[in-house]
Amino acid sequence: DSGVTQTPKHLITATGQRVTLRCSPRSGDLSVYWYQQSLDQGLQFLIHYYNGEERAKGNILERFSAQQFPDLHSELNLSSLELGDSALYFCASSVDPGLLRNTEAFFGQGTRLTVV
Amino acid sequence: AQKVTQAQTEISVVEKEDVTLDCVYETRDTTYYLFWYKQPPSGELVFLIRRNSFDEQNEISGRYSWNFQKSTSSFNFTITASQVVDSAVYFCALSTSGGSYIPTFGRGTSLIVHP
Repeated sequence: DSGVTQTPKHLITATGQRVTLRCSPRSGDLSVYWYQQSLDQGLQFLIHYYNGEERAKGNILERFSAQQFPDLHSELNLSSLELGDSALYFCASSVDPGLLRNTEAFFGQGTRLTVV
Repeated sequence: AQKVTQAQTEISVVEKEDVTLDCVYETRDTTYYLFWYKQPPSGELVFLIRRNSFDEQNEISGRYSWNFQKSTSSFNFTITASQVVDSAVYFCALSTSGGSYIPTFGRGTSLIVHP
């Protein structure tokens, strides 16, 4: 158990809909990363939050947004869903006190999103 | 730009064989970190190891060993006496100072260990 909790584990929804994925980081971790894992693209970095602030953006579509709340949990919102958005969405957390040091990121079990 | 290449898409071995998973990375930064993660069939990503660019010492942990060679920009992972439970997808990742230390992952190598 990595200590990172993601809910729900599975989600099936229709095209055009909107969903929210939730991530609770490990206790004490201030950084949250979101990744998308699809068969054709592999593991793609979406966005990074540190202590409530957005720190870096990767290949995140405009239809997607995220935020990190004061209690440090994070939500990834996916809207106007398309079939191609079907993927495993991972959240990871790390201690990362800024950009001066790097530690390993611990991953949650992922949310498997299926868009039908 | 940073890049990780895992050229082996899938490797199939018989139990007790040794197997090496290759990882080649690209970066212009002198400060960087390399990682290996394991993704078993259950789907979660499990951290295995982290190395920084200033430490080229190889590491051994039980049946696992890692060979870091800056001269060839490689960070290979060897499993000795493989077991069926080693069957998983293994990802190599790189984070660099120039990339804000956001890990970039390779496409992964699927290891299948047959009994």
